Amino acid sequence: DIQMTQSPSSLSASVGDRVTITCQASQDISNYLNWYQQKPGKAPKLLIYDASNLETGVPSRFSGSGSGTDFTFTISSLQPEDIATYYCQQYDNLPSTFGPGTKVDIK
Amino acid sequence: QVQLVQSGAEVKKPGSSVKVSCKASGGTFSSYTISWVRQAPGQGLEWMGRIIPILGIANYAQKFQGRVTITADKSTSTAYMELSSLRSEDTAVYYCARDYRNWGQGTLVTVSS
Repeated sequence: DIQMTQSPSSLSASVGDRVTITCQASQDISNYLNWYQQKPGKAPKLLIYDASNLETGVPSRFSGSGSGTDFTFTISSLQPEDIATYYCQQYDNLPSTFGPGTKVDIK
Repeated sequence: QVQLVQSGAEVKKPGSSVKVSCKASGGTFSSYTISWVRQAPGQGLEWMGRIIPILGIANYAQKFQGRVTITADKSTSTAYMELSSLRSEDTAVYYCARDYRNWGQGTLVTVSS
């Protein structure tokens, strides 16, 4: 199985800050990577697919980049409603696998 | 807009089975992948398996092989996930997702004696 790692595991930032999360795959997954936002008690919400494509309706402050094994997720200007846990997921190989998550809160 | 509605919370005894349903409305069902993902309390997301209803082919994570069965009924646009030989570690919220874009609301399965 492909192992996904994320860093940091948690972060605290101020409103308006730029926030960056990294995700690394244990082998080349091309660009078959999703990024999700999950708020407590809710289902995950797809934000970015194919590593860098913004899902319809998702604010443009969210972005993703990378290919191969190294990926980055960015919130250009953190908003209070962005408080959540963020997960990456590879879907290049079965079983699909998720990163352990990054919890983002407001400083 | 596609909506996935899952069946309600379940409480099960260790060793028993649970079957969770996921009914799709507002969009095409058969030609998309339906995946099942679970989340234990306070933990991350875990992929269990998927089915492509139009093909009727299911794939499972090795961890659940032999214990999980994912099926789909095209006539009712409903997918099912059955997990057997339940143990306390299976206590989790179980989600279905269509192509990872549309997610059900989650079903809490509690395994307790």
